[in-house]
Amino acid sequence: GDSVTQMEGPVTLSEEAFLTINCTYTATGYPSLFWYVQYPGEGLQLLLKATKADDKGSNKGFEATYRKETTSFHLEKGSVQVSDSAVYFCALTVNEKLTFGTGTRLTIIP
Amino acid sequence: NAGVTQTPKFRVLKTGQSMTLLCAQDMNHEYMYWYRQDPGMGLRLIHYSVGEGTTAKGEVPDGYNVSRLKKQNFLLGLESAAPSQTSVYFCASSYWQGATYGYTFGSGTRLTVV
Repeated sequence: GDSVTQMEGPVTLSEEAFLTINCTYTATGYPSLFWYVQYPGEGLQLLLKATKADDKGSNKGFEATYRKETTSFHLEKGSVQVSDSAVYFCALTVNEKLTFGTGTRLTIIP
Repeated sequence: NAGVTQTPKFRVLKTGQSMTLLCAQDMNHEYMYWYRQDPGMGLRLIHYSVGEGTTAKGEVPDGYNVSRLKKQNFLLGLESAAPSQTSVYFCASSYWQGATYGYTFGSGTRLTVV
């Protein structure tokens, strides 16, 4: 079946550091790929998405490129801020069901 | 727009008790979902619905039942709660956007079974 493998956390970085959170997937069809963010005590918010190979999703300084050849969708940000501290989920959908990775907790230290 | 509203936000149950979680959406979305979130396991799909009057099993359906009598509501029932059902439950709805599905999540229900 469809699955998502995410970089295990927690990840702790200093403010202004470069961020990469790895995500790879297995899917039977042609998935759409997503990154969701969950701030403490809140629900999930869509951060960015890509619907086909070589698409780049971007939002709030975060980027991820849909790499079909490596089945990956790694999340990157050039300079993180304290306000980026949250749990990040990689996810995919082939049909109407959304399948999630296990999540990566990110903490940014001032 | 309220989006997706979950009721209640918190609940403590004793083992063996029953309860129903309510999810309501006001966006006329066809698809609705119930997920549970546990530490280190991400979100796992319990049940979902592709339209009014339909339901289907997800990844972890045992111990739960659902109903979708009205398009805007999706109910999750626990007939005999167990400590293993202690979790945070999220409801979501979605629609086809033309290239993929667009999902909206509720704010969650924290359930503790003692």
